[in-house]
Amino acid sequence: GENVEQHPSTLSVQEGDSAVIKCTYSDSASNYFPWYKQELGKRPQLIIDIRSNVGEKKDQRIAVTLNKTAKHFSLHITETQPEDSAVYFCAASGRTGGFKTIFGAGTRLFVKA
Amino acid sequence: NAGVTQTPKFQVLKTGQSMTLQCAQDMNHNSMYWYRQDPGMGLRLIYYSASEGTTDKGEVPNGYNVSRLNKREFSLRLESAAPSQTSVYFCASSNPTGISNQPQHFGDGTRLSIL
Repeated sequence: GENVEQHPSTLSVQEGDSAVIKCTYSDSASNYFPWYKQELGKRPQLIIDIRSNVGEKKDQRIAVTLNKTAKHFSLHITETQPEDSAVYFCAASGRTGGFKTIFGAGTRLFVKA
Repeated sequence: NAGVTQTPKFQVLKTGQSMTLQCAQDMNHNSMYWYRQDPGMGLRLIYYSASEGTTDKGEVPNGYNVSRLNKREFSLRLESAAPSQTSVYFCASSNPTGISNQPQHFGDGTRLSIL
């Protein structure tokens, strides 16, 4: 089955700097890669996603890149702000296994003011 | 439009007790999921239901059962609770169609403690 690895587990940056979180996946049939942000005590919420026919996608200060050959994808946050502090999860899903989504272990991002 | 609603929000059980976590969605989604979230381990899939009438095991199904009661509702049952099942449980739904998956929408979670 699918396995998703996420690095780093903790990331601390200065306000205004960029943050990069990387994930790898094992199932070459995966075709959908969402990223979720989870604030303390809250539900995970989708912040951006990318499909396998696209190499990069941007939405204001966040972007995601996908390398299908290498089976890895990354989240980039520019001009970080204190409110970006949260746990970020990558995930992968595809047609195998009935569309189930497998999540990475999460990255705790601290943005220092 | 409430999205995904989970009940209860908090629960404390004694070892060996049973209980059912309820989940309902009003987005007409086909697929529903149950995850558990433990510190440092992210979200792990317990069971999922790709469509009404079907259920399948996820990564960590042992000790749990599920029922897809209808398109809206997907319940998770602990028959004999164990301390290792202390966790935060999230229900989610999505509407995958053809080759294109859609994002999952999560409920607020159920914080379950087993003593």
